[in-house]
Amino acid sequence: DAKTTQPNSMESNEEEPVHLPCNHSTISGTDYIHWYRQLPSQGPEYVIHGLTSNVNNRMASLAIAEDRKSSTLILHRATLRDAAVYYCILRYPGNTPLVFGKGTRLSVIA
Amino acid sequence: KAGVTQTPRYLIKTRGQQVTLSCSPISGHRSVSWYQQTPGQGLQFLFEYFSETQRNKGNFPGRFSGRQFSNSRSEMNVSTLELGDSALYLCASSLLPDTQYFGPGTRLTVL
Repeated sequence: DAKTTQPNSMESNEEEPVHLPCNHSTISGTDYIHWYRQLPSQGPEYVIHGLTSNVNNRMASLAIAEDRKSSTLILHRATLRDAAVYYCILRYPGNTPLVFGKGTRLSVIA
Repeated sequence: KAGVTQTPRYLIKTRGQQVTLSCSPISGHRSVSWYQQTPGQGLQFLFEYFSETQRNKGNFPGRFSGRQFSNSRSEMNVSTLELGDSALYLCASSLLPDTQYFGPGTRLTVL
């Protein structure tokens, strides 16, 4: 499985944008980039995914580098409820299992 | 629409016993996956079932098994429990290959 590298932890002030980076230099042409997050005492939650183009949804935006070797999850206005561990996952198309790394623990300060 | 439900939420067992955990997927979802989460190893894939057939399997010993019923509900079983099996067991269901929806998990403690 292609690997991803994320910072162990990040901190943000409430109501400010947050940019969570992910490096995946060995990504293959068919790997999708998925982001999940896990809030305290909950199961993981899908955030967003993309292949080549930038993606937006109600939760976040995903910016994918042109060479696809890195991506950034953008939370436009962090709230206290966004404090979670964020996982960047590369996934081959189809029902392949999610391979979780250690993720980035995001703390949001009021 | 109701989310993924897992029962029980908490469980305490002793070494050598066996345990069965249950997962009810979101209505209409036919794929169910199981994951184990521990502080040391993080989230690890156990197995995935689709239409009552195991489609993918992770790298876990044969003590870990599962099954899926015709209504897509799934169970996983761990026999001869070891202390290291203490973990949060998560179930996820999916309709399409892209997105998995996770339940709250079952916290298993082995004494």
